[in-house]
Amino acid sequence: DTEVTQTPKHLVMGMTNKKSLKCEQHMGHRAMYWYKQKAKKPPELMFVYSYEKLSINESVPSRFSPECPNSSLLNLHLHALQPEDSALYLCASSLRPDKDEKLFFGSGTQLSVL
Amino acid sequence: GDSVTQMEGPVTLSEEAFLTINCTYTATGYPSLFWYVQYPGEGLQLLLKATKADDKGSNKGFEATYRKETTSFHLEKGSVQVSDSAVYFCALNSGGSNYKLTFGKGTLLTVNP
Repeated sequence: DTEVTQTPKHLVMGMTNKKSLKCEQHMGHRAMYWYKQKAKKPPELMFVYSYEKLSINESVPSRFSPECPNSSLLNLHLHALQPEDSALYLCASSLRPDKDEKLFFGSGTQLSVL
Repeated sequence: GDSVTQMEGPVTLSEEAFLTINCTYTATGYPSLFWYVQYPGEGLQLLLKATKADDKGSNKGFEATYRKETTSFHLEKGSVQVSDSAVYFCALNSGGSNYKLTFGKGTLLTVNP
């Protein structure tokens, strides 16, 4: 199994809603990442979990809350989002958080905030 | 700081044409260089990489050579197919960990039959 699976594929939410994005991998990877990608732009790193501990938070607003319940799962909890948060949210993983390790990306969750 | 500059797209080619997508970089130290590809509706996939000067990365008919003297990592393919239509991202990593990856803005390639 060489996949990173993200659910849901699409999500529409209002500014007062609470929702969660889910990411799963069964490759034994110990580093997992959340990226945000706006249309026609490169991905921007949001969070990194290394060995199930949050190691990087790239100054992301607190309305985004990551969680890593175990080494295979990564969640992103969303609350009180703004329309400008509409984007493709990509999860990725790598065997280790080392420099040259290959990143495996999921297909993403396309989020629309109304 | 680190930066990657890719040729502006979109690039439109006919099937079997030769492809070049230019990529130049600015970085401290000795970065590793990557090309990632994003097909419509999907996440990114690593296409190829090179970790030191003069290394050539290759995969699926694509090639790129790490040129330290010109700080470049141009992507080439001799004969493109319709299925190569995608967005291509050049990236570098000069840090000690994977979260120091810096992406270029991406180049949209469309191949027509």
